[in-house]
Amino acid sequence: ETGVTQSPTHLIKTRGQQVTLRCSSQSGHNTVSWYQQALGQGPQFIFQYYREEENGRGNFPPRFSGLQFPNYSSELNVNALELDDSALYLCASSLLTIETQYFGPGTRLLVL
Amino acid sequence: QQQVKQSPQSLIVQKGGISIINCAYENTAFDYFPWYQQFPGKGPALLIAIRPDVSEKKEGRFTISFNKSAKQFSLHIMDSQPGDSATYFCAASPEYGNKLVFGAGTILRVKS
Repeated sequence: ETGVTQSPTHLIKTRGQQVTLRCSSQSGHNTVSWYQQALGQGPQFIFQYYREEENGRGNFPPRFSGLQFPNYSSELNVNALELDDSALYLCASSLLTIETQYFGPGTRLLVL
Repeated sequence: QQQVKQSPQSLIVQKGGISIINCAYENTAFDYFPWYQQFPGKGPALLIAIRPDVSEKKEGRFTISFNKSAKQFSLHIMDSQPGDSATYFCAASPEYGNKLVFGAGTILRVKS
């Protein structure tokens, strides 16, 4: 059984650019959630995908968007990057009816 | 609006001592309360979780105490070890969903 994996591990972008982050869910999991963790803070829920459909969204602007693929892997896209988007982006997978979420190691994004 | 308040922000405990971290929530729709442990550069890892139908759950050296009427829950780490030094997050999620709301985190340092 493989765990949640994310790529890339680190990324540096400049303000205004676009970025795509990727996540492979744990084997057998059909739900992927994305979180943003600013330095020194707890993770903040961005959105969740279940069977390729968005299943809930946190308080993030529309420039944060996502996709889930038939194999349940997922992408997080952020357009028009801002300095405050610098954070650790975490992906977590789970079965919708079971609450346990298993987190990946995250992608550290730095926006200059 | 912070829906889960966590304290203390940081904690120093002697090896062998008891570490206690407290959380309070506001949303009565929360139905699942996990604790996560995070080491630097890693994603959060589930430690232990509780549902509101029980007042206490113990797994090894980790115990969750839950007070539904006060809307508070706490993590006790017995016989704290230097390897327990990490950031601990409490979280909560609503019924029928698993969109976690995290506390701000507690940095625990266990002195040997």
